[in-house]
Parts: sequence; structure tokens; C-alpha cells
Amino acid sequence: DAKTTQPPSMDCAEGRAANLPCNHSTISGNEYVYWYRQIHSQGPQYIIHGLKNNETNEMASLIITEDRKSSTLILPHATLRDTAVYYCIVTGNTPLVFGKGTRLSVIA
Amino acid sequence: DAGVIQSPRHEVTEMGQEVTLRCKPISGHDYLFWYRQTMMRGLELLIYFNNNVPIDDSGMPEDRFSAKMPNASFSTLKIQPSEPRDSAVYFCASGQGVKNIQYFGAGTRLSVL
Repeated sequence: DAKTTQPPSMDCAEGRAANLPCNHSTISGNEYVYWYRQIHSQGPQYIIHGLKNNETNEMASLIITEDRKSSTLILPHATLRDTAVYYCIVTGNTPLVFGKGTRLSVIA
Repeated sequence: DAGVIQSPRHEVTEMGQEVTLRCKPISGHDYLFWYRQTMMRGLELLIYFNNNVPIDDSGMPEDRFSAKMPNASFSTLKIQPSEPRDSAVYFCASGQGVKNIQYFGAGTRLSVL
């Protein structure tokens, strides 16, 4: 599976968009980009995934660059409840491997 | 749906005792996963099942750990004998069809004294 690189931490003001980057320069053609988050003391939560097209759901948007070497998870209007560790995972048919993720702090 | 249900939420036991963690997946889901999370090692996959059959148990740390899925609505993770280094939060997750869209339970926090 392709390795991912995420910043260890980020801050975001409440009500603003949170843009979380992920680099995956070794991604192969059949690998998807998955995003999960883990709020303190809870189990991880699936957010969104994509292959090459941009995706949007009720939680977030996923923007994947044309060369697929990086992606950005966008939370359009961050709230305090979005404070969590966000994991970017690239995989094909093998199970998820969680790295260290990005700790997002949403500040009032 | 109530989501993935794990029990107990907290377990404190003494070294050498047997520990059994339980998981009820979301109804209709055909994948079930067991993970362990520690500060040092992060979130690690221990084993996963598809249609009640173990598919990959390469993450199970040693023979002291065993997992079963006797039917589609129940799974157990057993540690016998338990050791202090087994202290962690254990998560169960389930998924339907697409293996990597998983829904996690609230976890069981295990402390082995």
C-alpha cells in the first residue's frame, strides 16, 4: 500500500473551512484514498473515500489532484465537535492501516 | 440501527486471568474486524472475518490471543493468560460489501494489573 504523509497537527477557527492535506506520491492505479477521524475516547469514524474524482458527502469533501499524488479533506464549516485525529489511508484491496494522522484542533 | 456494540466497556483484571471481549456487529454486515490501540503502537488490526470466516490473523500478537465468530451477529476476542502489556483499547468494527468502509464500536478499555 502507498505510504501517506500528513502534518501532525493543525488548528482551525470555528466556522471556517478546515483543509487537511495528505501526500501519497506512490499511490498506484487501483488504490483508493480513505479518510477516517477519531474523536477523543471514541472509535474511528469513516468520513469519505475516493479513487480519482472529487467526492462530497454530508460530512466533508475530498479533493484529489489530477496526478493522484495528494489529496485534501475539506470540512466546510468546522465546529468544536470536529476536533479529532484525522487519518488519511491509501489502500487497494488490503485492509486499512492507520498511521499517526493529523490532530485537528478547532478553536472558538 | 444501534451500531457496533462492544462489551464490556471497561475491564480490569489481574495478570494471568482470562479475558473475553465481545462484539455485536451491525446487522447485515459481512465483515468484522478486531483492532487494538495503544499510545506506543497506535491502532493495529489484529484479525478480520468475512462471512464468519477468519481471513487474516497475521496481526494477532501471539498464541495467547484468539478470536471467534460463531455466527453473523457475534464475535469474541479472548486473551489467555492476560499480561500487563495487553492493556489497551480494543475496537471491533464491521462493514458491508466494501471491506474498507468500516463502522467502529466504542471500544473496550482493558487494564491488566
